[in-house]
Amino acid sequence: KQEVTQIPAALSVPEGENLVLNCSFTDSAIYNLQWFRQDPGKGLTSLLLIQSSQREQTSGRLNASLDKSSGRSTLYIAASQPGDSATYLCASNTGTASKLTFGTGTRLQVTL
Amino acid sequence: KAGVTQTPRYLIKTRGQQVTLSCSPISGHRSVSWYQQTPGQGLQFLFEYFSETQRNKGNFPGRFSGRQFSNSRSEMNVSTLELGDSALYLCASSVTGTTEAFFGQGTRLTVV
Repeated sequence: KQEVTQIPAALSVPEGENLVLNCSFTDSAIYNLQWFRQDPGKGLTSLLLIQSSQREQTSGRLNASLDKSSGRSTLYIAASQPGDSATYLCASNTGTASKLTFGTGTRLQVTL
Repeated sequence: KAGVTQTPRYLIKTRGQQVTLSCSPISGHRSVSWYQQTPGQGLQFLFEYFSETQRNKGNFPGRFSGRQFSNSRSEMNVSTLELGDSALYLCASSVTGTTEAFFGQGTRLTVV
């Protein structure tokens, strides 16, 4: 059974800092690793999808990496802005490909 | 291109009643999955439908059921509502189920 862990649970940084969010998973036989952001009371917004054959993906100020052998993924956010404040979730799908297993999220606050 | 649309956005129901939630996926997406999000349990997978067939199911009681129509729109039904069913219900669509998942804004269900 896949288990996904995210550390830290919460993070507060001043505007402009670069930061890294961590995601660990127990089953390395994943199809994809996907990062989402969720604003309070809202749905999930897909940020990046890394396929199992890929090592990283980039979109604007975001860069996500995947290391299947160690069961880890990181989301790097460059030059953070107050608008980045949200909860960030990682999710993977494994043997039951269409089922996403989510981590508990990292709540990020970027202060002025 | 329209995103995933969930209706209604908010619902208040009484214990013992039943409720039906609706999800319209992105055009061309054949896979629709449902998730329950609560503060205590996080995001948990309910079930996935692909081409009108339930392809995958999570660990929820039989009170939770769903279906998918020929146009890929999906409905989720919860019968005999309990207080613990209060949650944000999220629907996700993807092309095949293993590709990038896109979520709707969710339906906030409150059971009183």
